[in-house]
Amino acid sequence: AQKITQTQPGMFVQEKEAVTLDCTYDTSDQSYGLFWYKQPSSGEMIFLIYQGSYDEQNATEGRYSLNFQKARKSANLVISASQLGDSAMYFCAMREPRAAAGNMLTFGGGTRLMVKP
Amino acid sequence: KAGVTQTPRYLIKTRGQQVTLSCSPISGHRSVSWYQQTPGQGLQFLFEYFSETQRNKGNFPGRFSGRQFSNSRSEMNVSTLELGDSALYLCASSLEFSRAAATEAFFGQGTRLTVV
Repeated sequence: AQKITQTQPGMFVQEKEAVTLDCTYDTSDQSYGLFWYKQPSSGEMIFLIYQGSYDEQNATEGRYSLNFQKARKSANLVISASQLGDSAMYFCAMREPRAAAGNMLTFGGGTRLMVKP
Repeated sequence: KAGVTQTPRYLIKTRGQQVTLSCSPISGHRSVSWYQQTPGQGLQFLFEYFSETQRNKGNFPGRFSGRQFSNSRSEMNVSTLELGDSALYLCASSLEFSRAAATEAFFGQGTRLTVV
């Protein structure tokens, strides 16, 4: 069974600074996908970034980058130059690329990020 | 391109009643997944429908059911509501499952269900 752990329930960051949100995972599969989602107070889950287990380079999407350390089973999200609009819940999730699992995602408990002006 | 639409956005029901939630996926997406989000349990997978068939199911009682129509729109139903069913119900729309691709799920804004 998969498990996703986010050890930081809440974090503060100063506007314009970088912040790292931690995510560790546990799976016996060799092939899997890791996702980060942002959930503002409106409730919608917004896709941020994806890392495949066989991807050799760390994923980047604008101000978001993923620090992927496969041997340590960690997939930390780095947000550079934080903005006030980055204040939200952030979830790490995993998908097993097995046909039986379909598109099911397993989520971590989330980290609430608060950006200070 | 329209996003995922969930209706209604808010709902208040009484214990023992039943409720139906609706989800319209992104045009062309045939996979619809449902998740329950509560403060205590976090985000939990309910089920996934693909081409009108339930492909995968989470660990929820039989009171939770769903279906998918030929136009990929999906509904989930909860019968005999309990106070613990109060939650944000999120629907996610995805392209056809691909082993190689980053098949990200696009979520709707959710339906906030309150059971009193």
